[in-house]
Amino acid sequence: AQKVTQAQTEISVVEKEDVTLDCVYETRDTTYYLFWYKQPPSGELVFLIRRNSFDEQNEISGRYSWNFQKSTSSFNFTITASQVVDSAVYFCALSTYTGGFKTIFGAGTRLFVKA
Amino acid sequence: DADVTQTPRNRITKTGKRIMLECSQTKGHDRMYWYRQDPGLGLQLIYYSFDVKDINKGEISDGYSVSRQAQAKFSLSLESAIPNQTALYFCATEGGNADTQYFGPGTRLTVL
Repeated sequence: AQKVTQAQTEISVVEKEDVTLDCVYETRDTTYYLFWYKQPPSGELVFLIRRNSFDEQNEISGRYSWNFQKSTSSFNFTITASQVVDSAVYFCALSTYTGGFKTIFGAGTRLFVKA
Repeated sequence: DADVTQTPRNRITKTGKRIMLECSQTKGHDRMYWYRQDPGLGLQLIYYSFDVKDINKGEISDGYSVSRQAQAKFSLSLESAIPNQTALYFCATEGGNADTQYFGPGTRLTVL
């Protein structure tokens, strides 16, 4: 069975601090996809990244970076020099195709960035 | 114009009523999805469609049906709404070189 765990329910930081959001997943599939999404207080959903299981290269996009480690089944997300606009709920998700497409979301981590 | 639009944005209805939520996209993507989000939780997949002729159930499809009228349109119906279907519903598309996903703004549905 697939599972996504975001153990941090809420994180509070002060602006300009770096913050890492953890995501641990479980699947028996060898081919799978991992995602991160942002849901700001306004409620919309924003896709941040999609990573397949064969690509363990770390990714950097501006102040955002992602660390994918198959050995620990983790796909962690770091925001460098956080800003108030980063305040949101962040979701990690896992998709697989074996036996039919499935996608499982974690419960989310709420990030508060204080000025 | 928004890439993915959903109508209505808010709806209050009564138990037993039939409701249709509509989704349109201008991205030209084949893949489309319907999700629901309950308060404090992540999304759950209701139905997905990888092209116009391909429609599949997700993990929580009971009580829902869908129609893919065209590449750009994917509608979700609640045949007989019940209170535990009160939730925020999102439509999404996926495609392009980077398989980027685009979400609609969401429909907040309340079933009394």
